[in-house]
Amino acid sequence: GNSVTQMEGPVTLSEEAFLTINCTYTATGYPSLFWYVQYPGEGLQLLLKATKADDKGSNKGFEATYRKETTSFHLEKGSVQVSDSAVYFCALSVQGAQKLVFGQGTRLTINP
Amino acid sequence: DVKVTQSSRYLVKRTGEKVFLECVQDMDHENMFWYRQDPGLGLRLIYFSYDVKMKEKGDIPEGYSVSREKKERFSLILESASTNQTSMYLCASSLQQGASETQYFGPGTRLLVL
Repeated sequence: GNSVTQMEGPVTLSEEAFLTINCTYTATGYPSLFWYVQYPGEGLQLLLKATKADDKGSNKGFEATYRKETTSFHLEKGSVQVSDSAVYFCALSVQGAQKLVFGQGTRLTINP
Repeated sequence: DVKVTQSSRYLVKRTGEKVFLECVQDMDHENMFWYRQDPGLGLRLIYFSYDVKMKEKGDIPEGYSVSREKKERFSLILESASTNQTSMYLCASSLQQGASETQYFGPGTRLLVL
């Protein structure tokens, strides 16, 4: 079946630190891959996505590269800010399945 | 901007009550979804709909039903609420079918069943 495994949280960093949140997946076919972010008290919103192997999604200083050989889509940011504190979800969608499969989420806290 | 609204941010209900959660989207999206979010489990799909009056079971449909009488509105119904249905419920919509389609989420309804 299709599944997503994310790095265990919570993750606590200082401002301006480098961030990596690991995400690996198992999928039938060729999935599209997503990172969604949930800020406190809000619903999820799309952060970035990639639809085929070697694609790089990027937004707001965050990046993730679709690695088919390692079945991974790790989220990175070079210098985090306090405003990046949120819960981050990795997800996949497979053509014909009409739904997203989510990882368990990683809570990120950035201290000033 | 796409706007997905949910009827309540917080709800408290008693065991056995019938509960309605409403979701409305304003961008003429074809697909609508209901998820529940629980700590350590991420989001799990309850039901989705790809057209008016059409519905498909997700991964955890037991104890829930849905209704989509109009394109913009998708309702989740708990026929007889139980304490294990205490959770955060998130509604989402997407423009059309396709693996790369972005889903747009509402703010969520936090339901407590006593």
